[in-house]
Amino acid sequence: SQQGEEDPQALSIQEGENATMNCSYKTSINNLQWYRQNSGRGLVHLILIRSNEREKHSGRLRVTLDTSKKSSSLLITASRAADTASYFCATDAAGTGGFKTIFGAGTRLFVKA
Amino acid sequence: DSGVTQTPKHLITATGQRVTLRCSPRSGDLSVYWYQQSLDQGLQFLIQYYNGEERAKGNILERFSAQQFPDLHSELNLSSLELGDSALYFCASSIQGQNSPLHFGNGTRLTVT
Repeated sequence: SQQGEEDPQALSIQEGENATMNCSYKTSINNLQWYRQNSGRGLVHLILIRSNEREKHSGRLRVTLDTSKKSSSLLITASRAADTASYFCATDAAGTGGFKTIFGAGTRLFVKA
Repeated sequence: DSGVTQTPKHLITATGQRVTLRCSPRSGDLSVYWYQQSLDQGLQFLIQYYNGEERAKGNILERFSAQQFPDLHSELNLSSLELGDSALYFCASSIQGQNSPLHFGNGTRLTVT
């Protein structure tokens, strides 16, 4: 399976602190994406990083990709209570059954006000 | 608003029954994906279509089938329903079949009793 695996499974921090989530994957990828999901809602795309990129920023988000270690990290700086959600990484790669976008199990982030 | 519309929002049915979930992709998107999310679980990839053709297949049960119509909307058919099929079913769409962000609907919550 090419499924990404997020670490930690859950994270609780105070508002204003930084939150770091990690994702590891198993096979070569074309890109890696991060998504956010508020409870029971559809996922929202945050950022896409291609395999030839090492770092990408979007507002308070910073994503890094290390293809040699098959890992990525998502950093949310100066967290807010509204950042409370589940965060998923997704990898896009070819495999048995065609080209698939596979999601990890997610990290649950809780930001305390 | 992602632009992806899923109907119905909620569905309650009995074991052994058959249901159809519908998805209208975002305007201009050619690719449609179906995912299953059980309680507190990650997203399981079911199937992907691109411009009417099946592009990739995940661990979709034989009791489940899907199609994408010429107007690009998609339907997921679930038959001989079991209690374990209770889950959130998400549809997502993207411009391309790969290497592009997915835009998710808000899901159909299926409860099998």
